[in-house]
Amino acid sequence: NAGVIQTPRHKVTGKGQEATLWCEPISGHSAVFWYRQTIVQGLEFLTYFRNQAPIDDSGMPKERFSAQMPNQSHSTLKIQSTQPQDSAVYLCASSRTGGEAEQFFGPGTRLTVL
Amino acid sequence: GDSVTQTEGQVTVSESKSLIINCTYSTTSIAYPNLFWYVRYPGEGLQLLLKVITAGQKGSSRGFEATYNKETTSFHLQKASVQESDSAVYYCALGVNNYAQGLTFGLGTRVSVFP
Repeated sequence: NAGVIQTPRHKVTGKGQEATLWCEPISGHSAVFWYRQTIVQGLEFLTYFRNQAPIDDSGMPKERFSAQMPNQSHSTLKIQSTQPQDSAVYLCASSRTGGEAEQFFGPGTRLTVL
Repeated sequence: GDSVTQTEGQVTVSESKSLIINCTYSTTSIAYPNLFWYVRYPGEGLQLLLKVITAGQKGSSRGFEATYNKETTSFHLQKASVQESDSAVYYCALGVNNYAQGLTFGLGTRVSVFP
């Protein structure tokens, strides 16, 4: 069991560039969550997929952020026109069924926007 | 919205001494939330330490215990005798509404245990 895989582990972008973060959930898990972690705000929920369908994206910033899950083996979080305030660690988690099932977290992608 | 408040910053404790990390929560949900403690050990990812989904019950793992108290809306984490290997960052979290909005986390408490 490789756990949740996130790539890249570190990404540095210039202001205004696009960043795409990848997440591979644990095989057999039907739910995928994205979180963002900063020193000031802590861990914040961004969005949630179940069986590849978007369930709730209430935590996603209204502009520039989008997430997709084109198949059961990966999800992407895309940030367009990155800004310095987007610098954070982005965590992906998966769970077997969503709901009360335990969420297993990946190692995160540290995004730095210069 | 929902929120979790826990002992902030860093806690330093001697090996074999007791530890308590306070956690209180607030939720607008009419349903009682599920409560969690997650831990991040140095160099590792965030992982579940313990979970309690029923008010009044206690969860335990690796010598840690936490009791879900709905009257005081608290879920304090305790250990009677800590070891150096317990040095980590601990996060209290709650889940409501079938987790459609993911988990709500506290800011984390860094625990350093010294010999």
